[in-house]
Amino acid sequence: DAGITQSPRHKVTETGTPVTLRCHQTENHRYMYWYRQDPGHGLRLIHYSYGVKDTDKGEVSDGYSVSRSKTEDFLLTLESATSSQTSVYFCAISEGGQGYEQYFGPGTRLTVT
Amino acid sequence: GNSVTQMEGPVTLSEEAFLTINCTYTATGYPSLFWYVQYPGEGLQLLLKATKADDKGSNKGFEATYRKETTSFHLEKGSVQVSDSAVYFCALTARNSGNTPLVFGKGTRLSVIA
Repeated sequence: DAGITQSPRHKVTETGTPVTLRCHQTENHRYMYWYRQDPGHGLRLIHYSYGVKDTDKGEVSDGYSVSRSKTEDFLLTLESATSSQTSVYFCAISEGGQGYEQYFGPGTRLTVT
Repeated sequence: GNSVTQMEGPVTLSEEAFLTINCTYTATGYPSLFWYVQYPGEGLQLLLKATKADDKGSNKGFEATYRKETTSFHLEKGSVQVSDSAVYFCALTARNSGNTPLVFGKGTRLSVIA
């Protein structure tokens, strides 16, 4: 299994509070991704990174920000959590961009009340 | 743009039945194609892949052939087991898309009953 961990694994928070999710890899892969998974929508890309300090938006980036100050860590921040951000969040890594498979972390279940 | 369409679920089969999950894609250029599997409570795992036309990916008894002429990558297994119950995702990454990552279908839930 690829060395990817996510923390926390479960979190319950209140509307309006900031939340940060962490993804940590031990594979030294260049690319890292954040997805959310919701019933009926499959996986949707939030943000991704193609190197330290290099990030770009995905299809559902509103309300989210990311940072990558080290190769191994990719942080996802919800500046002010809303109930619509209740979801399961997955981090993924890959060696390259196009053409390369991705390896997924175990997920973080976030509930915003 | 690039997209993946896979058959709606859920699919319910008896043990040892033949499985087909249809997947078709739209992409410019020559995409790489993937099947991922998600077991309950877990993240996605790569099941198999194919990177060029007529390639066959295979793993754990599952197979899929990259068909450029029909833009398809259907997943098949000859004899399913209860342990195959999971959600299956078809995905692609297109070589003309710069850094952009995988594009996923919405997933097909498979339930296998003994």
